[in-house]
Amino acid sequence: GAGVSQSPSNKVTEKGKDVELRCDPISGHTALYWYRQSLGQGLEFLIYFQGNSAPDKSGLPSDRFSAERTGGSVSTLTIQRTQQEDSAVYLCASSFNSGNTIYFGEGSWLTVV
Amino acid sequence: AQSVSQHNHHVILSEAASLELGCNYSYGGTVNLFWYVQYPGQHLQLLLKYFSGDPLVKGIKGFEAEFIKSKFSFNLRKPSVQWSDTAEYFCAVKHGSGNTGKLIFGQGTTLQVKP
Repeated sequence: GAGVSQSPSNKVTEKGKDVELRCDPISGHTALYWYRQSLGQGLEFLIYFQGNSAPDKSGLPSDRFSAERTGGSVSTLTIQRTQQEDSAVYLCASSFNSGNTIYFGEGSWLTVV
Repeated sequence: AQSVSQHNHHVILSEAASLELGCNYSYGGTVNLFWYVQYPGQHLQLLLKYFSGDPLVKGIKGFEAEFIKSKFSFNLRKPSVQWSDTAEYFCAVKHGSGNTGKLIFGQGTTLQVKP
């Protein structure tokens, strides 16, 4: 597609359940990023993939969070045993490589009740 | 640790007023600097960026920003705002060297332009 595509756009889940959020980057982009935007907060870096290199996971807030990127394209962010504080907009972004402009998707709104 | 500070959290202006949003970062090395905008209900979009060269960069919709290395600043400006500029503005910084693509964002500034 023309832009970064994320699904689902909205997700309401019960506390304790696992959720998966999907990101389709712009075709040809080798770098992929996940950020989190909480109400009244800025954008918090979560994880970064660049080609076949080991991902930079330094922003993942706990071991309940994990992400993978299959085939160098689609990425899935998984949150296990969700907590209410996980409620946020999860933004995916991609760039042609790590030195280029980063383009963002519209985000997945996660609400944990 | 690298950080980005946006001084104004909420700015209210009337149309045609001039705008300046402050952004300071803490990192002594080479940096790439960005301003992103998020209009209500829309995704983040790039306004402008600085990688090297002329420290005064011009972006879309009449916005510009000036990189002042000695002040670790990258303030966003627009001479005359419009109602359609109502949005949230984010400053972001990335190391200019190495292969890390991690962008560090400021907390954001909400701009409200009154018609």
